[in-house]
Amino acid sequence: KAGVTQTPRYLIKTRGQQVTLSCSPISGHRSVSWYQQTPGQGLQFLFEYFSETQRNKGNFPGRFSGRQFSNSRSEMNVSTLELGDSALYLCASSPDGPLGANVLTFGAGSRLTVL
Amino acid sequence: KQEVTQIPAALSVPEGENLVLNCSFTDSAIYNLQWFRQDPGKGLTSLLLIQSSQREQTSGRLNASLDKSSGRSTLYIAASQPGDSATYLCAVPGFQKLVFGTGTRLLVSP
Repeated sequence: KAGVTQTPRYLIKTRGQQVTLSCSPISGHRSVSWYQQTPGQGLQFLFEYFSETQRNKGNFPGRFSGRQFSNSRSEMNVSTLELGDSALYLCASSPDGPLGANVLTFGAGSRLTVL
Repeated sequence: KQEVTQIPAALSVPEGENLVLNCSFTDSAIYNLQWFRQDPGKGLTSLLLIQSSQREQTSGRLNASLDKSSGRSTLYIAASQPGDSATYLCAVPGFQKLVFGTGTRLLVSP
């Protein structure tokens, strides 16, 4: 079955702009998580959505937001981009169940460069 | 707060060597531990998932062990190959999320 699909794979923006990243989970997975990866901070949890509801949120400013649609596809948005937002943004989906949130399958990521 | 540490941060070995990567976590109350591989600029590929009730998990040349009481896991790679060159990350569950280690960057030279 198809894996987790993230689009776009690469994008370049300038400071002050906004960006929207998309993630299509594995068919049947209703949980989608987002992570930011930078050389300095490593992998940091952004937020997790389940059945269109944000279930958990990491320690990021309000410029970072997300949503999930009824087909489980998710988008994340970053407004008023800063240089420090340059990162690899990874999306992961997981199946339902008590331990489902802990068994993640990751997409290839969206590489954002802010100039 | 769960913290995960991996040592060494980088490792360079000649092809054919057996090697061990280490992962330490501060909160031993975990459901499982997962090892991932990441190639440069790419996403994460799950290598092994060890449930808390298990002590070891094997896949091909990879063997991962888990000692919850000491807060440690090791990833053993046998007969390393240049294709094993990548960053290896361990992760443990937090509340509805994974907490990742800092990673070990492995280079296997032919």
